[in-house]
Amino acid sequence: DVKVTQSSRYLVKRTGEKVFLECVQDMDHENMFWYRQDPGLGLRLIYFSYDVKMKEKGDIPEGYSVSREKKERFSLILESASTNQTSMYLCASSLGSWGDTGELFFGEGSRLTVL
Amino acid sequence: SQQGEEDPQALSIQEGENATMNCSYKTSINNLQWYRQNSGRGLVHLILIRSNEREKHSGRLRVTLDTSKKSSSLLITASRAADTASYFCATPYNTDKLIFGTGTRLQVFP
Repeated sequence: DVKVTQSSRYLVKRTGEKVFLECVQDMDHENMFWYRQDPGLGLRLIYFSYDVKMKEKGDIPEGYSVSREKKERFSLILESASTNQTSMYLCASSLGSWGDTGELFFGEGSRLTVL
Repeated sequence: SQQGEEDPQALSIQEGENATMNCSYKTSINNLQWYRQNSGRGLVHLILIRSNEREKHSGRLRVTLDTSKKSSSLLITASRAADTASYFCATPYNTDKLIFGTGTRLQVFP
């Protein structure tokens, strides 16, 4: 069974803390994505990666960075957490095929609260 | 950026009834996907329909696509309480990326 695992389901952090959200997939997928989901706003793409050490900004990258040192792992980093980053964070992966956007496999989500 | 918009935002029905959700999008696409999300969980892929297809079935799910109207519909037949979830359509943009709508919240009462 395909699996995307997010390291933490629930986190509570304080303003200004550095936060790491980890995501691992076991499907040998090229593409990995980080979305955040907020009520009324749907899912918004933060960053994505097509390959190891490669990253591209999504629609709302401000305040975030990412790291992809290994194919299976894609980390989202909040350098200095702020209250407006309180959200549900969803990691996803896909096989990737140029010109044909395929199915995304999602993790269970990480609900982050910044106090 | 383009975005699918689902309609209605919320839908409440009784078990056994059919549920229909609609999605509109803005630009040309090569496929459209539907996902389901149970409360507080990740999204699960339901079905993908390509731009050259008009209708696709998967179990109790029926998806239609009208590229001339830039719209799609998801029909769940004979709904069950376990179908209670949010449903999202998603469309590709800039290759390999998906943009999601804000979803339809479906409540199925036993």
